[in-house]
Amino acid sequence: EAEVAQSPRYKITEKSQAVAFWCDPISGHATLYWYRQILGQGPELLVQFQDESVVDDSQLPKDRFSAERLKGVDSTLKIQPAELGDSAMYLCASSLSTGGANVLTFGAGSRLTVL
Amino acid sequence: AQSVTQPDIHITVSEGASLELRCNYSYGATPYLFWYVQSPGQGLQLLLKYFSGDTLVQGIKGFEAEFKRSQSSFNLRKPSVHWSDAAEYFCAVGGANTGFQKLVFGTGTRLLVSP
Repeated sequence: EAEVAQSPRYKITEKSQAVAFWCDPISGHATLYWYRQILGQGPELLVQFQDESVVDDSQLPKDRFSAERLKGVDSTLKIQPAELGDSAMYLCASSLSTGGANVLTFGAGSRLTVL
Repeated sequence: AQSVTQPDIHITVSEGASLELRCNYSYGATPYLFWYVQSPGQGLQLLLKYFSGDTLVQGIKGFEAEFKRSQSSFNLRKPSVHWSDAAEYFCAVGGANTGFQKLVFGTGTRLLVSP
């Protein structure tokens, strides 16, 4: 079964450092999402791409977070500088398209701990 | 605004007993509804979904859910719980009001299975 690949699985960093997460969606999936899941809460959408274009980044803290999907395939989410409150699981998901009834498939996530 | 409420933070069920996890949603249009399961340190796996049609939907691992529009509910059920079902369960809503694939998640219900 096709999977969404994410790396690294775990990242420990000190505050003020830069961190980056990578995601490779299921082949052929045009839509890619980054969600943040704080411990004890449900996932919250940070950014949504359709191919290489950003569709929704209304909840992305743009002063420190950036996301790109240059060739419309894999994607990178960056945090610079990291803050203590950024400790969370960062989940990548993909789906075939944005329109209509599609299903999101999630990766295993990247767990970030900021010290 | 769209929202999902999962009123039970934790539920403990004896192995072999039946299970019902509650989910209530607030959505201004016809909702698409989902249940996802998350094992510790892992990503989210889709259990089942409701887009339209029959309000009783079957999913993987013996789970089912019933959409009740009058009650704005989409409760998850399983007739006989296995120890391997211990995990966190998330209800989510999406649809035209949120660009179809921008899912709004509940805060989750942690299922504990006692021997």
